[in-house]
Amino acid sequence: GAVVSQHPSWVICKSGTSVKIECRSLDFQATTMFWYRQFPKQSLMLMATSNEGSKATYEQGVEKDKFLINHASLTLSTLTVTSAHPEDSSFYICSATLTGTDNSPLHFGNGTRLTVT
Amino acid sequence: AQSVTQLDSHVSVSEGTPVLLRCNYSSSYSPSLFWYVQHPNKGLQLLLKYTSAATLVKGINGFEAEFKKSETSFHLTKPSAHMSDAAEYFCVVRGLDDKIIFGKGTRLHILP
Repeated sequence: GAVVSQHPSWVICKSGTSVKIECRSLDFQATTMFWYRQFPKQSLMLMATSNEGSKATYEQGVEKDKFLINHASLTLSTLTVTSAHPEDSSFYICSATLTGTDNSPLHFGNGTRLTVT
Repeated sequence: AQSVTQLDSHVSVSEGTPVLLRCNYSSSYSPSLFWYVQHPNKGLQLLLKYTSAATLVKGINGFEAEFKKSETSFHLTKPSAHMSDAAEYFCVVRGLDDKIIFGKGTRLHILP
């Protein structure tokens, strides 16, 4: 089945530094990838939709200059948290899907636990 | 616009008894619906999906869900709960714009 690899699984960084999270579709081409943020014991909040070769579409309230998304190829999207602060600490999850079929499920990475000290 | 409502934030059942996790959706057209399970600090695993081919959908680990258009529901069930079923469950609707909307989740507790 379709596999999405997310790396790293956890990262600790100092306040003010930037962190890059990678999301790869391993056995399929994903023209669309999604980035979610999940606070403890809460649901997933869609941050942005990433389309290969074009700018990401951010949800309302998500700072695009802080959460940089790059989708340079059909198998890789990256999320960079710039100038991270403790309030950015969260669980970030990416997902990928085959577009063109509206009932195609999302395939999720295992998530990245970001802790900003 | 689509939306999805999970009616219970927590559900507790005894091991071996049936599980019912409720989900209602709102959509202006026939939606794509999914159930995902998330174990602590893990990603999400697809349990099942509604593809409009059959209203009763069978998924992995003995779970199934029935799409009821008249009730705008897509409840998840399992005949007999197992301890390993304890997790967070999300009902998800997908729109024509590929935007995915998650329910708030239901935490399933299994009592020994």
